[in-house]
Amino acid sequence: NAGVMQNPRHLVRRRGQEARLRCSPMKGHSHVYWYRQLPEEGLKFMVYLQKENIIDESGMPKERFSAEFPKEGPSILRIQQVVRGDSAAYFCASSRSGQGADEQFFGPGTRLTVL
Amino acid sequence: QKEVEQDPGPLSVPEGAIVSLNCTYSNSAFQYFMWYRQYSRKGPELLMYTYSSGNKEDGRFTAQVDKSSKYISLFIRDSQPSDSATYLCAMSTTLGRLYFGRGTQLTVWP
Repeated sequence: NAGVMQNPRHLVRRRGQEARLRCSPMKGHSHVYWYRQLPEEGLKFMVYLQKENIIDESGMPKERFSAEFPKEGPSILRIQQVVRGDSAAYFCASSRSGQGADEQFFGPGTRLTVL
Repeated sequence: QKEVEQDPGPLSVPEGAIVSLNCTYSNSAFQYFMWYRQYSRKGPELLMYTYSSGNKEDGRFTAQVDKSSKYISLFIRDSQPSDSATYLCAMSTTLGRLYFGRGTQLTVWP
C-alpha cells in the first residue's frame, strides 16, 4: 500500500505523559501537513513541514506541541504533558509539492485519548 | 467569523434523491476548492477538486464554485446508501494549507 501511513492508529495516554504520533508520506511526496479533528468539528491545520524544515506552524499551540520531519524516517508530532483537551483525531496529509494546486492525500489518522 | 462556514446537518435523504451540500467562505484569496468524503473513523478522501469559478462533473457528483458570491456546492445525483458519510468542504490559497468546513453528516436510507 503506497498510501499515507500513520501509527499508532489508537493511542491512550494519562494526563502528563507524552504522545508521539508518526506519519510516513506517500512515496515521492516530500511535503507533510498535520491536522487535528476535535469531536463535532472539522479539521484544523496545525503545521506544514518539508524534509528537515518547518514551513508553517501557525496552527500549532504555542506550548507542549512540536513537529519534525527528519531527512530519514517519518514525520513526528509530539505532544508533551498531555491534557484531556488534547483528545482528538490527528491526521497527516502529504503532497508532492507545497502548492495549493497539489492534491493532499490523507492518512487514516491517530486517535488520541487522554485519561 | 470563521473563514469557512458549513452547515453540519445532519442531512437524511431517501435513496435516489439529489443531495445538495454547500459552504460559504470569507477569504477572497482562496483559489482551490475541494470536497472530501470521510467515513466514520477513517481519513478524508478527495472527491472533487475545482480551480476558481465554474462547474466540474464526475459521475454522480457535480461541484460548483461561485467566487463572486464566495459560495461552493456539491451535488450528488441518484444518492446511494454507500454515500452515507461526512462531507467536508476545503479550500486553499496558492499555498498548500487547507481550510476546512465543519463537515455535513449525510445519511441515505434505502
